[in-house]
Amino acid sequence: KAGVTQTPRYLIKTRGQQVTLSCSPISGHRSVSWYQQTPGQGLQFLFEYFSETQRNKGNFPGRFSGRQFSNSRSEMNVSTLELGDSALYLCASSLLQMSGKLFFGSGTQLSVL
Amino acid sequence: EDQVTQSPEALRLQEGESSSLNCSYTVSGLRGLFWYRQDPGKGPEFLFTLYSAGEEKEKERLKATLTKKESFLHITAPKPEDSATYLCAVQPLRDNQGGKLIFGQGTELSVKP
Repeated sequence: KAGVTQTPRYLIKTRGQQVTLSCSPISGHRSVSWYQQTPGQGLQFLFEYFSETQRNKGNFPGRFSGRQFSNSRSEMNVSTLELGDSALYLCASSLLQMSGKLFFGSGTQLSVL
Repeated sequence: EDQVTQSPEALRLQEGESSSLNCSYTVSGLRGLFWYRQDPGKGPEFLFTLYSAGEEKEKERLKATLTKKESFLHITAPKPEDSATYLCAVQPLRDNQGGKLIFGQGTELSVKP
């Protein structure tokens, strides 16, 4: 069974640009969560989607948004990038909504210059 | 405020030298506590779920335990392949936060042959 796939693996952007990250969950998993990982703050919850609806949102500004499609694939968008948005963005899928047993992808490493 | 603190930040062991990693948590109602392992360049990999004080889970050389305020990950006779960052996370019981995991900063374990 294929794992969680995130694309692209690496991304370099400049301040003020916007970026879209993609995530394909494990087949059959309907819940997708996004986390930001930085050396200083560790892993921080961004949002969770289930059945195309955002079920939960972390404490991030409105520049961070996401969506989920009918095939459970998800995208995350960050607008007006700031230097502090440089991080590893991890997508995780789970079989059930609000499950703590998550299956993570390898992440997208975003660098903002 | 919900919080997870892991100690030590880094741990160096010789192969076969058993030890324990600590995870202290503060949460207003615990839905579950989770241990993950993260290798460099990869997303976290699920290890254990613990739900109530006194519960224990084992997998190969790893054993996780839970009390009302902390969890321990015991590593018995570790091997070099156990080298990784071990992450602890809690899931709050509150309905509107159910899908969110709060992670600690992790313990970076290095096992030398």
